[in-house]
Amino acid sequence: KAGVTQTPRYLIKTRGQQVTLSCSPISGHRSVSWYQQTPGQGLQFLFEYFSETQRNKGNFPGRFSGRQFSNSRSEMNVSTLELGDSALYLCASSSRPLAGEPHFNEQFFGPGTRLTVL
Amino acid sequence: GENVEQHPSTLSVQEGDSAVIKCTYSDSASNYFPWYKQELGKRPQLIIDIRSNVGEKKDQRIAVTLNKTAKHFSLHITETQPEDSAVYFCAASSDNYGQNFVFGPGTRLSVLP
Repeated sequence: KAGVTQTPRYLIKTRGQQVTLSCSPISGHRSVSWYQQTPGQGLQFLFEYFSETQRNKGNFPGRFSGRQFSNSRSEMNVSTLELGDSALYLCASSSRPLAGEPHFNEQFFGPGTRLTVL
Repeated sequence: GENVEQHPSTLSVQEGDSAVIKCTYSDSASNYFPWYKQELGKRPQLIIDIRSNVGEKKDQRIAVTLNKTAKHFSLHITETQPEDSAVYFCAASSDNYGQNFVFGPGTRLSVLP
């Protein structure tokens, strides 16, 4: 199976711009989570999407948003970029079970998108 | 919400020695505890995980122990090798929170030849 893929791998933007990042999960995985990784704050959870619905959200401002498509691919959008948004953005997919099945939590990470805001 | 602490932040060991990294968590509802290894410039990769109904799990040179009462879990690496050098992250999550993983701040392990 192909792993989790993310595009683009690198982005340079300026303050005030907006950016859209894309994540394609492992085939068959219906849950996609997004994380922000910085040297100072470590790995922080942004949100999770499952079946095109946001199921969980971390403590990030409303400038951070996302969506998921019917093929489970997910996009993350950051509007009005700030210098502090410079980070590695990682997505992870997992095979969230159907109702009634044991919960399966293992997440597989993509390579990340390195966003630099100037 | 959940809070995960991890110690030490850096760890240097001689090749062949053992390394131990400890994490504590705050939410008693957490029931899944994965460990990820992240090499420089690469994605985090799951190396071992443990669920709350198990006290210990081993996979070759790697083992994880869980103490639910004390709310802490540890990663043990035996016979360390230079390729074990990386940043290791612990995490905690709960079925109640779906796929929201709370990560520890990481431990930079250096295995000296």
